[in-house]
Amino acid sequence: KNQVEQSPQSLIILEGKNCTLQCNYTVSPFSNLRWYKQDTGRGPVSLTIMTFSENTKSNGRYTATLDADTKQSSLHITASQLSDSASYICVVSGASKIIFGSGTRLSIRP
Amino acid sequence: GAVVSQHPSRVICKSGTSVKIECRSLDFQATTMFWYRQFPKQSLMLMATSNEGSKATYEQGVEKDKFLINHASLTLSTLTVTSAHPEDSSFYICSARFGGRLAGGETQYFGPGTRLLVL
Repeated sequence: KNQVEQSPQSLIILEGKNCTLQCNYTVSPFSNLRWYKQDTGRGPVSLTIMTFSENTKSNGRYTATLDADTKQSSLHITASQLSDSASYICVVSGASKIIFGSGTRLSIRP
Repeated sequence: GAVVSQHPSRVICKSGTSVKIECRSLDFQATTMFWYRQFPKQSLMLMATSNEGSKATYEQGVEKDKFLINHASLTLSTLTVTSAHPEDSSFYICSARFGGRLAGGETQYFGPGTRLLVL
């Protein structure tokens, strides 16, 4: 069964700290994996997209990694800011299917 | 990046009425658009895939007669919630696929969402 699982479900950290969000998937065949940031009451915004051959991709303070062998991805946020408070969604595409993870709700405290 | 708009952003209606939500890709042609529903603190749930010029493909459990989807042009798809009831109250989000086939490098761009409240 095609699944995308994210952990943790929620996370609270202090402003300025780093954090890492996890995404494990069983989608096969695999086309690409994307991380989205969704602010409350807004549509998701793409942060990174990675294909099978890409291991790391950065977008400012966001760095995503992908291990296609173990089917794991992570999103690392460096020097967190209050504006990073949002839900982060991992989305895996493959064979005309798009599978959404349930998201990690991140809260940054001052 | 590409821009997808939705209108209205927020709508309140009485039970039994119909509500139409528009989704537009502003600077690219989208052969495929997707409609999602999201309940508070939950993930997006795909409702249907809308292909320009053809009938939409609905996910299991989604009533096609209740959620009418029209994709008449490459830049516009509409979702009509017919005879809305309070349980239809939700956040509806559309997305447009950019890049044609679902392949490496292709991505979706999401609209800002429409919050529907049915009284």
